[in-house]
Amino acid sequence: SAVISQKPSRDICQRGTSLTIQCQVDSQVTMMFWYRQQPGQSLTLIATANQGSEATYESGFVIDKFPISRPNLTFSTLTVSNMSPEDSSIYLCSVEVEANTEAFFGQGTRLTVV
Amino acid sequence: GQQVMQIPQYQHVQEGEDFTTYCNSSTTLSNIQWYKQRPGGHPVFLIQLVKSGEVKKQKRLTFQFGEAKKNSSLHITATQTTDVGTYFCAHQTGANNLFFGTGTRLTVIP
Repeated sequence: SAVISQKPSRDICQRGTSLTIQCQVDSQVTMMFWYRQQPGQSLTLIATANQGSEATYESGFVIDKFPISRPNLTFSTLTVSNMSPEDSSIYLCSVEVEANTEAFFGQGTRLTVV
Repeated sequence: GQQVMQIPQYQHVQEGEDFTTYCNSSTTLSNIQWYKQRPGGHPVFLIQLVKSGEVKKQKRLTFQFGEAKKNSSLHITATQTTDVGTYFCAHQTGANNLFFGTGTRLTVIP
């Protein structure tokens, strides 16, 4: 299993600013992912955070808007850049200890952009 | 990744009634995972199915993976108020990315 600490749990931000979300895992994991979940909706995969290299983004998401870092096997950050009200959502960090096994999720970051 | 459709989108049941949610894909899936998300919470893993026609049980929950590996179901017998939440199926692609279905929100009326 894996225990994930995600920070901040929530924030209210001004449009045009940026927010960096941190994801810390209590053990080394193979895979780390970032998801977005609009209220009442399903989870949408933003990107896979790759250690030591650029993240792999899904269709509709770009590095300039959502830069991701993963310096080691236990930590990753997601930045939401130049925010607009449309970026208001819950952002979730997810990990797999081993590939093709269950995913563990952080508590999520509830972002409101005003 | 292709999004997998779930039906129904919402379900309200009286406590003690049964509940089923269905997950459907137009393409063959390598596996199916099921997650439960309580209101205000994060998704929590329930089960993974890999084999064609596989059936797994967890107490009052029964999970099935279709013979063609294009659909799956989750059945809850005699629902309880603790079963409230949104149930998602999810599948992994060759790149090991996990894509979630549209979800079924279950409300249990005491």
